[in-house]
Amino acid sequence: EAGVVQSPRYKIIEKKQPVAFWCNPISGHNTLYWYLQNLGQGPELLIRYENEEAVDDSQLPKDRFSAERLKGVDSTLKIQPAELGDSAVYLCASSSGGEARVDEQFFGPGTRLTVL
Amino acid sequence: GNSVTQMEGPVTLSEEAFLTINCTYTATGYPSLFWYVQYPGEGLQLLLKATKADDKGSNKGFEATYRKETTSFHLEKGSVQVSDSAVYFCALRGAQKLVFGQGTRLTINP
Repeated sequence: EAGVVQSPRYKIIEKKQPVAFWCNPISGHNTLYWYLQNLGQGPELLIRYENEEAVDDSQLPKDRFSAERLKGVDSTLKIQPAELGDSAVYLCASSSGGEARVDEQFFGPGTRLTVL
Repeated sequence: GNSVTQMEGPVTLSEEAFLTINCTYTATGYPSLFWYVQYPGEGLQLLLKATKADDKGSNKGFEATYRKETTSFHLEKGSVQVSDSAVYFCALRGAQKLVFGQGTRLTINP
């Protein structure tokens, strides 16, 4: 089966510009996660969706970051405006859902963002 | 709060050497523990897991034992291969989300 798809794989923008990342989870996976991975660090959860509902967005910087998961399938993560410190890898993951399945997450390859 | 600490990297070994990557954790209760691996250009993949104390997770020749006395989950492999070169992340499951360590980059030379 196809894995988690993310695009673009790489993005270079100037500070104060907007940027968006797209994620297509594994078919049938109800739970979708966005993680931030800074250089030399482990992933940190930004937001978790159960179907189309954001059930945990406590770590999402809401002043500049937004996310949506219309129809409970694909998801988009947006930054507006981007800052130098946003340079990182943005990972998307999905799982078949429910608290009991939180460990069986499948990760996409990530989008590497560079803000100049 | 929950946290995971891994040994500092990078780690460089010769093929067929013995591997240990240390991982310790701080958590309330006894969370499930995991090792994820990230090969170059790919997403993170679950390598192994253990859900309770004294459990041993194993996969692809890698092993890790859940030690509640020392709050540790060290990753071991008896004979590494060049293909094991990757970044390894220790993680715990807490409050319906995964908490990762900082990762350890492993390079195996032929």
